[in-house]
Amino acid sequence: DVKVTQSSRYLVKRTGEKVFLECVQDMDHENMFWYRQDPGLGLRLIYFSYDVKMKEKGDIPEGYSVSREKKERFSLILESASTNQTSMYLCASRPQATDTQYFGPGTRLTVL
Amino acid sequence: TQLLEQSPQFLSIQEGENLTVYCNSSSVFSSLQWYRQEPGEGPVLLVTVVTGGEVKKLKRLTFQFGDARKDSSLHITAAQPGDTGLYLCAGVLGQGAQKLVFGQGTRLTINP
Repeated sequence: DVKVTQSSRYLVKRTGEKVFLECVQDMDHENMFWYRQDPGLGLRLIYFSYDVKMKEKGDIPEGYSVSREKKERFSLILESASTNQTSMYLCASRPQATDTQYFGPGTRLTVL
Repeated sequence: TQLLEQSPQFLSIQEGENLTVYCNSSSVFSSLQWYRQEPGEGPVLLVTVVTGGEVKKLKRLTFQFGDARKDSSLHITAAQPGDTGLYLCAGVLGQGAQKLVFGQGTRLTINP
């Protein structure tokens, strides 16, 4: 079974703090993704990575950065958290040969 | 504007009833996926449809891909409380595309 884990299920941070969200997958997938999920908007892609040290901007990259130093780990960084970044953050991984994405359980981030 | 329009966004029906969820776009997709997401979990893939006009069945769930590959539907027969969840459609644009485009989601509640 593919397993995608995220470092925290719930996180509360203050405005201006630097926030790290970690995602680890155990299936040697090349591709990894970070989404945010908001009611009525579905999932919106923030960043994705198709290889170690490679990253591509998604649809809403502003205010975020990412890091992929190892194949199994993809980190999302909020340099200076703001209240409009309060959301559910979902990480996913995908092997090269398919379109199927495997999702982690999500991190519900609240920025006060 | 949403590339994939999903309707309805909310649906609450009684156990035993039938329902259909729609996913529409003006864009052509190389394939389209349906995911289900339960509270506190990430989305899980239900099915992928690839060919225009394709119909796939998963027990009481029937998925159809439009002839022009711009739209899809999910029909549930004799809904049960276990079908409750958030249903998401997601389209792949172009062959080998790295990204999925998600609809807003349909929150389905089946009342006993």
